[in-house]
Amino acid sequence: QSALTQPPSASGSPGQSVTISCTGTSSDVGGYNSVSWYQQHPGKAPKLMIYEVSKRPSGVPDRFSGSKSGNTASLTVSGLQAEDEADYYCSSYAGNNNLVFGGGSKLTVL
Amino acid sequence: QVQLQQSGPGLVKPSQTLSLTCAISGDSASSNSAAWNWIRQSPSRGLEWLGRTYYRSKWYNDYAVSVKSRITIKTDTSKNQFSLQLNSVTPEDTAVYYCARGWLQSGFDFWGQGTMVTVSS
Repeated sequence: QSALTQPPSASGSPGQSVTISCTGTSSDVGGYNSVSWYQQHPGKAPKLMIYEVSKRPSGVPDRFSGSKSGNTASLTVSGLQAEDEADYYCSSYAGNNNLVFGGGSKLTVL
Repeated sequence: QVQLQQSGPGLVKPSQTLSLTCAISGDSASSNSAAWNWIRQSPSRGLEWLGRTYYRSKWYNDYAVSVKSRITIKTDTSKNQFSLQLNSVTPEDTAVYYCARGWLQSGFDFWGQGTMVTVSS
């Protein structure tokens, strides 16, 4: 059982927006501005899409955005494209060299 | 561009030692701004951070509590690579193992290609 809770699936049509949630506790998501989001295509390594709640690494489209409210972080993908179809994972620092991940959400572009 | 190239066996017998290596290009294992991590992924356990090594005037290692008694991460600066050793493996250690650059607080920005390791006799 993963420490962070994500919905198993999410979907949207091309051009639409979709938001994936990541719920933790005050000991992880709520306690640190250290939430990251990863995109993973089948058979590939995860790719960092968002770090420190809302920052985008160089090269990540601005269609991807992150936010946090209390113990829940969110990833929003705007202007959905076919290539956005993938699994998405959140992670949060939890203190004392402890990192927790979510169980993953499969994003389907309809 | 940073690249991480993993190598090591895909099959390990129970009770033996799992050993993987991650060769770094485009950065330095002894960089003063990077940390080098091992992460694994399995259907049963999901993504799990295992440990890291980094250099700040001296070498530091941090390990996840779940594997702390069995794990060693070492660095070979002459080959610009770091390695994972996991002792006394069981079938529960079957997973895809990744090396990655980054910090727990700010994410992992470069990953190796992954190595599927099966623990079986």
